[in-house]
Amino acid sequence: GAGVSQSPRYKVAKRGQDVALRCDPISGHVSLFWYQQALGQGPEFLTYFQNEAQLDKSGLPSDRFFAERPEGSVSTLKIQRTQQEDSAVYLCASSPEGGRRGTEAFFGQGTRLTVV
Amino acid sequence: TQLLEQSPQFLSIQEGENLTVYCNSSSVFSSLQWYRQEPGEGPVLLVTVVTGGEVKKLKRLTFQFGDARKDSSLHITAAQPGDTGLYLCAGTNAGGTSYGKLTFGQGTILTVHP
Repeated sequence: GAGVSQSPRYKVAKRGQDVALRCDPISGHVSLFWYQQALGQGPEFLTYFQNEAQLDKSGLPSDRFFAERPEGSVSTLKIQRTQQEDSAVYLCASSPEGGRRGTEAFFGQGTRLTVV
Repeated sequence: TQLLEQSPQFLSIQEGENLTVYCNSSSVFSSLQWYRQEPGEGPVLLVTVVTGGEVKKLKRLTFQFGDARKDSSLHITAAQPGDTGLYLCAGTNAGGTSYGKLTFGQGTILTVHP
C-alpha cells in the first residue's frame, strides 16, 4: 500500500473487554514497531518485530498486552481485560531495514482506544 | 533508561515570530530525529541528524545536533499558521545493536496565530 494503515481508527471498549488493533505496514518493510501515545505526550515504545520475530517487547506495560506478526507483514496488538489506563492512541510504524541508525520510520494514523 | 527532555511544552506565538524548541538528554544518542504530528495523524519525519555538531536546514526550519550528541534544537524563522502542530524529538540508542527503536521527548505543542 501507499502507507501504513491501521484499523480501526477509533475503538471504544468497556472495561474488561478484549480488543485487537491491526497494522498493515508498507509492503516489504522489515521492521515494525508499536508505540503508545497518551494525550498531549510523545509516543512510548511498546514492542518491535523484525519480519515475524518479536525481538523486543520490553515496553509492553503488562501481560495483558500481546502482539504478533505471524507472516512478517500484518501485525496485531491485542489487549486483554482492558483498563481505563489503557486509553491512548496506539501507533504502528514500519521501516524498510532491520536496523541502522537514522532509518526513517513511517507511522500510521493510529488507533484511538477509549476504555469506559 | 535514556530520556529526552523537550522544552517548552507549549508555545503560542504570532505569525512572523521566530521560535526555538530544545531537546536535551544526559545520554548520548547515535541519531536524533524531529517529527511533526497533526491532530488525528501519525508523526511525520522532518529531519534526521547523525553527526555531532551537524546543522540541517529545511526551508524556514533549522535543526542542530549538539557536539556531544546529547541535545538538539529546532529553530523556526518567521512562523506561519501552517506550522501549527506537535513537534517531537526522538533519539535512537548509541552503542550495542540498534534496530531503530525511538525514544521520544514529551513534545512541544506549537500554535501560530494569524
